Amino acid sequence: DAGVIQSPRHEVTEMGQEVTLRCKPISGHNSLFWYRQTMMRGLELLIYFNNNVPIDDSGMPEDRFSAKMPNASFSTLKIQPSEPRDSAVYFCASSRQGGSYEQYFGPGTRLTVT
Amino acid sequence: GNSVTQMEGPVTLSEEAFLTINCTYTATGYPSLFWYVQYPGEGLQLLLKATKADDKGSNKGFEATYRKETTSFHLEKGSVQVSDSAVYFCALGPIGANSKLTFGKGITLSVRP
Repeated sequence: DAGVIQSPRHEVTEMGQEVTLRCKPISGHNSLFWYRQTMMRGLELLIYFNNNVPIDDSGMPEDRFSAKMPNASFSTLKIQPSEPRDSAVYFCASSRQGGSYEQYFGPGTRLTVT
Repeated sequence: GNSVTQMEGPVTLSEEAFLTINCTYTATGYPSLFWYVQYPGEGLQLLLKATKADDKGSNKGFEATYRKETTSFHLEKGSVQVSDSAVYFCALGPIGANSKLTFGKGITLSVRP
């Protein structure tokens, strides 16, 4: 069974450019989470969706960040315009609502903004 | 609100040493508890979980027991290997209507041969 799929795995871009990160959750999972991980700030939850609806976006740093989930099998995280301080590893995770709610993480996208 | 406190790191051990990583939590209700592991260059993986008080989660030689009386979920392994070098995160399950986990800050374990 395929796990959470993220693309691209690595992204290098220049300051001011638009960046789009993509995630395909595990089939049958109805919650999806976007995290950011840096050495300085550790692991931060940016936003999460239940049944494709954004539930909590309080972790989104600012208006430059936006996330969408148009259907149960796809989500995007967009940064426009990007800045060097956005450099981090971005993880997508999914879970099934109910039960113990364990999350399954993708391999991450390493973003470098120069 | 809910919170997770992990012991400060990093931790460096010799191969075959005994490992304990402390985790305590604050929560209303009785959430599930988790340990996740992140190997270098990878995403987080679920290592083990416990869903109710006195449950013991175990996997790959690691164990943790859900202790309601001490609000703890300490991770232990009797004999660590070099391949156990990773970052370990304790996490608290959701309570109520939300679905999100509450993660601790993580602790880096390095095991030397």
